Amino acid sequence: DVKVTQSSRYLVKRTGEKVFLECVQDMDHENMFWYRQDPGLGLRLIYFSYDVKMKEKGDIPEGYSVSREKKERFSLILESASTNQTSMYLCASSLLRGQGREAFFGQGTRLTVV
Amino acid sequence: GESVGLHLPTLSVQEGDNSIINCAYSNSASDYFIWYKQESGKGPQFIIDIRSNMDKRQGQRVTVLLNKTVKHLSLQIAATQPGDSAVYFCAENVPPNAGNNRKLIWGLGTSLAVNP
Repeated sequence: DVKVTQSSRYLVKRTGEKVFLECVQDMDHENMFWYRQDPGLGLRLIYFSYDVKMKEKGDIPEGYSVSREKKERFSLILESASTNQTSMYLCASSLLRGQGREAFFGQGTRLTVV
Repeated sequence: GESVGLHLPTLSVQEGDNSIINCAYSNSASDYFIWYKQESGKGPQFIIDIRSNMDKRQGQRVTVLLNKTVKHLSLQIAATQPGDSAVYFCAENVPPNAGNNRKLIWGLGTSLAVNP
C-alpha cells in the first residue's frame, strides 16, 4: 500500500519558533509538494521539488523554506513561526511531473502557532 | 478550529442515489482536470482525471464530464454509499504561458453528505 507519511498530526508552536514539518514517501516518486489548506482558500502550493536537492517556489513561499536531501524525504521549514501560519499542512508526492497529477497525499499536520 | 461562517456548498443525497457534483473552472486554456476526495481527518485522495481533448471519462462508479464551452466540470457518482461522504475538490491545470510555470488551481470543494 502506497504511503506518504507526515511526522506529526498535530503541532502547537510558539511565535518565533523554527518549525520543521517532515514528510516521507515510500513510492520512489521524484515529485513532492507542500500545500497548506485553509477554510475558504482551498489548497495553496507552498513549495515543490522534482528531484533531490531541487526546489521551486509555489504560490505562497514567503515565510517558508524546504529541504530535499533524499528522494523519499521532503521537509518544510517555518523559519520563524507566526500566527498567520496556523493551518493544515499537506505533503504530496507523485510519479508524474505536474502539480496534483495523480498525487498521493499524507494525512496532514494541523499546526497551531500561539 | 474552522473559521466561523465559511461553509462549503453541501450536497445531501440518499444512499443508493446518484450524486452529481459540479465545478466551474476559470481558464479556457486549462488542459487537464482532476477530482480529489477528502474524508474527514485525511489528506485528499485522487479519484479521476480528464484531459481537455475529452468530454467524458469513466472510472469505477464515477464519471467525469467536461463541457469546455461553458467551462464546466462535473463528477457523477453512481449508487452513492455512506463511504462516499467527503469533501470533493476539482482542480484545473493551466499550461505554462508567457514565462509563467504550469499551475494547478484548486476549487474550494463541495461537501457530500450521504444519508442512510
